[in-house]
Amino acid sequence: EAGVVQSPRYKIIEKKQPVAFWCNPISGHNTLYWYLQNLGQGPELLIRYENEEAVDDSQLPKDRFSAERLKGVDSTLKIQPAELGDSAVYLCASSLDGGLGLNTGELFFGEGSRLTVL
Amino acid sequence: AQKITQTQPGMFVQEKEAVTLDCTYDTSDPSYGLFWYKQPSSGEMIFLIYQGSYDQQNATEGRYSLNFQKARKSANLVISASQLGDSAMYFCAMREGSNTGKLIFGQGTTLQVKP
Repeated sequence: EAGVVQSPRYKIIEKKQPVAFWCNPISGHNTLYWYLQNLGQGPELLIRYENEEAVDDSQLPKDRFSAERLKGVDSTLKIQPAELGDSAVYLCASSLDGGLGLNTGELFFGEGSRLTVL
Repeated sequence: AQKITQTQPGMFVQEKEAVTLDCTYDTSDPSYGLFWYKQPSSGEMIFLIYQGSYDQQNATEGRYSLNFQKARKSANLVISASQLGDSAMYFCAMREGSNTGKLIFGQGTTLQVKP
């Protein structure tokens, strides 16, 4: 079974440029998460989707960040325009049933997209 | 307020010895889950172990065990017989309630296993 797939793995851009990250979750996982991880820190949630609905986007800086999950499968996270402080790793994760049900609700993570803004 | 606290930025352990990574949490919800993840230098977050708030016994998964002390709100990870491949960043995380899958992560502990 394929895991969570993210692309690109690395991206270097100049400030004020746009950037987009793509995530394909594990097949059948209805819940998708985008986390931001700064160097040496724990991941922080940006947005959580249940199917195609964004159910928690309170931590997403909506002036420059946007995300979509149009068909409830893969998702795109966009930053426009990027700032120096956006340099970080953007992690995508998925889970089954949003963490409910008989499973533990563990999140399965992709390898992340490392963004460097110059 | 910090929901998850990991007070050890870095830890060293000798190969083949056991090590305990500390984690304390804060919640008023009686229903919650506690998770430990490993993040090697490659960057991928690897799920290690889970403990539910209503679980009567401490969780174990191979060389990993979770020392769950509910009254003290602590969920320490114990790694037995450390291996060089255990060198990584370790994160404790919590999921509150029964209607969300969001995980809140601690700051992490870097573990280095010495040969």
